[in-house]
Amino acid sequence: DVKVTQSSRYLVKRTGEKVFLECVQDMDHENMFWYRQDPGLGLRLIYFSYDVKMKEKGDIPEGYSVSREKKERFSLILESASTNQTSMYLCASRVTGPHYGYTFGSGTRLTVV
Amino acid sequence: AQSVTQPDIHITVSEGASLELRCNYSYGATPYLFWYVQSPGQGLQLLLKYFSGDTLVQGIKGFEAEFKRSQSSFNLRKPSVHWSDAAEYFCAVGVPGGGGNKLTFGTGTQLKVEL
Repeated sequence: DVKVTQSSRYLVKRTGEKVFLECVQDMDHENMFWYRQDPGLGLRLIYFSYDVKMKEKGDIPEGYSVSREKKERFSLILESASTNQTSMYLCASRVTGPHYGYTFGSGTRLTVV
Repeated sequence: AQSVTQPDIHITVSEGASLELRCNYSYGATPYLFWYVQSPGQGLQLLLKYFSGDTLVQGIKGFEAEFKRSQSSFNLRKPSVHWSDAAEYFCAVGVPGGGGNKLTFGTGTQLKVEL
């Protein structure tokens, strides 16, 4: 089975800090995604990447950037964390072809104080 | 662009009762359709998915879903709910093909099971 690992389950950061959320997948998938989950809003796409060094904005990219230097790793960066970025962040990777599907990590709950 | 509506924010059922969670989507053709479950503090687990073919799809944990093109719906069902089914359920729609297309989620339905 594909494994998607998010390095931290819980993070507490201060307003203005630069924050890195890391995601690693072990199946050589080309497509990776970062979602943000908030109560009553479901999951909203922040950024996605369909290859190394390739990235595209999702629905809510403001205040975020991403990095994909290696195929297995997709990082979400909060350039200057703000309290409204307190949320659950979920990473996913996707396989295409006959076994099309998404696998999600366990999530990182980020609190910005 | 595709969209997903889950009209029920909360649902409460008694253990052993049947369950139906509603999902409606908006897309010009037949999309890929998914149901995920999320237990508290956990990531998303795939229950089932529909791409094409038989419109009744069987998933894990005794769940099934039926694709109805005429109603743009993909409702999730379970004949007899167990207390361990209490969780949040998300319907999602994806556009067929690879590349950069994305998965769009509904806002979720929180299921409570009364013993």
